[in-house]
This record gives sequence, C-alpha cells and structure tokens, in this order.
Amino acid sequence: DGGITQSPKYLFRKEGQNVTLSCEQNLNHDAMYWYRQDPGQGLRLIYYSQIVNDFQKGDIAEGYSVSREKKESFPLTVTSAQKNPTAFYLCASSIRGRDTEAFFGQGTRLTVV
Amino acid sequence: KNQVEQSPQSLIILEGKNCTLQCNYTVSPFSNLRWYKQDTGRGPVSLTIMTFSENTKSNGRYTATLDADTKQSSLHITASQLSDSASYICVVSSTSYTSGTYKYIFGTGTRLKVLA
Repeated sequence: DGGITQSPKYLFRKEGQNVTLSCEQNLNHDAMYWYRQDPGQGLRLIYYSQIVNDFQKGDIAEGYSVSREKKESFPLTVTSAQKNPTAFYLCASSIRGRDTEAFFGQGTRLTVV
Repeated sequence: KNQVEQSPQSLIILEGKNCTLQCNYTVSPFSNLRWYKQDTGRGPVSLTIMTFSENTKSNGRYTATLDADTKQSSLHITASQLSDSASYICVVSSTSYTSGTYKYIFGTGTRLKVLA
C-alpha cells in the first residue's frame, strides 16, 4: 500500500533535549512538508522540500531543522531552541508542481515534560 | 494577506440531519480549493477539490460549492452519520506562475459533532 508514515505517534521530551520526528513516504512524491497544528489555529508550515537535498523554511522554521537525503524521507528535528514545542506535527507529501493534492501522515503528538 | 476563514468554529447536529460549513478566502493568486476531513488525532484526508471554473462537486454525501467571484466555498453534508464527527478544513492553494512556487493556506477548521 502506498502512503505516508509518521513515527512515533506519541513522543515525550524533556526540556532542553532535541528530538527527531520521522516521516517516510512510498508515493514517489518529490515534495514533502512539515506542519504544526495547535488548537484553534490552522496548520502552519515549518519546512518544505521540493526535491532531494533541497529544502526551504516555512512560516515558523525557528527552532526546527530538517534534512532531505532521500526522496522517501524527510525527518524533522525539534531543537531545544524551540520555545513552545508541544504540538501535533503533520507531515505531508505531494507531486511537485501546481494543483497537486497533499497527502498527510497520521501525525505525531509531541509533549514536552 | 492570504487568509482562509471558516465558520462556524464548531457545530453539533443530530444524526440524519444536514449541515453546511462555510469557507471565505482572500488568497491571490488562487489555484484551487480543497476540503479535508480530519478525525481527532489523525492526519487530514481530502474530500473534494474545486478549481476556479467549478461551481459544485460531490463526493457521496459531501457536496462542495465554490463562488470565485465572492471568494466563498461551502461544504454541505447530507444525512449526517456518527462517523462524520470530525474537523473539516478548507485549504486554498496559491501558485505563482512567475516564480513557480506554490503554497497551501489552511483554515482553522470547523469541528462537527454528530449526536445519536
């Protein structure tokens, strides 16, 4: 089955620690995205990548980092510099180009304790 | 500023009833508009896509409309079921043909609760 997989589903982190969220897709999509979802707010773009070895900052990139070494994988690292990291994180992918649908993973809920 | 606004924020209806969710947008340039359904704790799943020239599109009990002149869209759910309980998110795609870049602008969603 083709799809986009995020892991883990739930993640707990102590303050001051970095943590990496995994996102893998087997849809052969070029473009991948990371969004953050907070209660009462629309999804906000953290980072996106339209091709391997290239990525761009989104609207709220501070305190986050990404890599795109493989087409299938787009991990997100939440660093200790992110002041309010507790949130629901969604990864998505799409065929590169206009008018394309974004397919979402099931999300990772990160809680800082 | 590109914005997508949805109303109401939340809605409670009885099973079997119909309901309509609204989406107003100020996005330019406009490429297309999608409605997504998001179950609690899950990722959004696409329901419909509307391009500039389309007025109505149906997907089972879901019917989306688009008025490109007034920049409004609606999602009508017919004969609601308990499984329709979810958040419904309106997403507008914007494409810059000069730079070749595109982005998705998300609404805050309408949380629908269907009661037995």
